[in-house]
Amino acid sequence: QSVLTQAPSASAAPGQRVTISCTGSSSNIGTAYGVNWYRQLPGTPPKVLIYGNSKRPSGVPDRFSGSKSGNSASLAITGLQAEDEADYYCQSRDSSLSSYVFGTGTRVTV
Amino acid sequence: EVQLVESGGGLVKPGGSLRLSCAASGFSFTNAWMSWVRQAPGRGLEWVGHIKGRADGGTTDYAAPVKGRFTISRDDSKNTVFLQMNSLKTEDTAMYYCTSDLGVAVRPLFDFWGQGTLVTVSS
Repeated sequence: QSVLTQAPSASAAPGQRVTISCTGSSSNIGTAYGVNWYRQLPGTPPKVLIYGNSKRPSGVPDRFSGSKSGNSASLAITGLQAEDEADYYCQSRDSSLSSYVFGTGTRVTV
Repeated sequence: EVQLVESGGGLVKPGGSLRLSCAASGFSFTNAWMSWVRQAPGRGLEWVGHIKGRADGGTTDYAAPVKGRFTISRDDSKNTVFLQMNSLKTEDTAMYYCTSDLGVAVRPLFDFWGQGTLVTVSS
C-alpha cells in the first residue's frame, strides 16, 4: 500500500556494513523534497536518523549515512553493532497524493 | 527537553468516536506543525494528517483513508493538539503517535515523537 518500497529485511555480522534501499517515483523521492530516515527500536517510537537525504542530527554517529539518486534513496550503516537491530523507515512527501509517505520498513538483524 | 505526551486511547466499537490529545512542551509550539502518525500492530508507519502552525495559517491536511472522518485541531494556549476520530473502523486500530515538525532543518521532518497511545476498534 505504501508508495515507497523497502526490502523487508537485511542482515550482516557485527562490524560489517548493511545498506537499505528505498524506491519511490518521480512524484515523491524524485522531487525536490528530501528523504528522511527513521529508526524504530523494539517497543519505542521512531527517531530521526537522517534528514534532507544525507544530514545527521546531532548525536547520530557517522556510521550512518544517507544518499539519494533519482527516484531512490539509500541508508548505509557501517561498523554494525548489536544495538542497530531495529526497523528502519524512509519518508518523503508525495506531490500526487498531497501526502507524507513512509517506506514499508526494513528490519535489520545483526 | 522536548516532550510530547499522548492520551485518550482505548477500546471503542466500530462506528464510534474517540478524541486523542497530545500535550507538548520544550519548544515553541505556536508555529510548529503537528502531525499524527499511526502504526497498526506489526505493521509500518502511516501518516494520518497534520495541522500547520499559526504563521502558516493553521490549516490541516489528511491522508486519504481518514479524510472526512478525522479532524485535527490545536489549542496554542495549552500547547496541545487533538485528533478527533469519528466513524471508526476496525482498520483504524493502531498505536497513534503525535509528532512535531519544527521546520528548523527541512520540512517535512518528524523531528520528535511521543510514546504513542493505543486505539483499538473492535466489537
